[in-house]
Amino acid sequence: GAVVSQHPSWVICKSGTSVKIECRSLDFQATTMFWYRQFPKQSLMLMATSNEGSKATYEQGVEKDKFLINHASLTLSTLTVTSAHPEDSSFYICSATPRGGIHSGANVLTFGAGSRLTVL
Amino acid sequence: SQKIEQNSEALNIQEGKTATLTCNYTNYSPAYLQWYRQDPGRGPVFLLLIRENEKEKRKERLKVTFDTTLKQSLFHITASQPADSATYLCALSRAAGNKLTFGGGTRVLVKP
Repeated sequence: GAVVSQHPSWVICKSGTSVKIECRSLDFQATTMFWYRQFPKQSLMLMATSNEGSKATYEQGVEKDKFLINHASLTLSTLTVTSAHPEDSSFYICSATPRGGIHSGANVLTFGAGSRLTVL
Repeated sequence: SQKIEQNSEALNIQEGKTATLTCNYTNYSPAYLQWYRQDPGRGPVFLLLIRENEKEKRKERLKVTFDTTLKQSLFHITASQPADSATYLCALSRAAGNKLTFGGGTRVLVKP
């Protein structure tokens, strides 16, 4: 089946530094990828929709200058957390809909394994 | 504002019994409702999808119902097994291709 790969699976960084997380669709092309954030014992919150070859669409309250998204190819989207602070520590998960992932007309998401960010 | 509520308390259940989870929503008219499973430290995995004009869907030991009048979906795991222990998330979308909005999830623990 379709696989979405994320890297790194966990990262620890110092406050003020930037961290890049990669999301790759393996053996399928994804024109759209979604980035979610999940705090402990909370649900997934959509941060932004990443569109190949164009600007990402950010959800209300998400700072686009802090969370830079680049979707340069049909199989790769990156999320860069710039000038990270401890409150940015979270579980970041990307997802995509493979071509065969339409069920009854709706997009079914294939998620990556997530990237746990800890900012010291 | 729209709300999607799942029972935040963990559901402890004996192996072999049926686990029933609820997903209630307000200020929302979803066209599609999906259920995902999430294991600790992992991304969610799709389980089932049901449309607004469908009452019930089944897949192996899983069953989902959708009541748009009550604004509620029920998710059943029959003949539960310890391997079913995980957090189960419901997610709604208004239209095909629209973004998904997730509930808070319910943790299920199946005891042998």
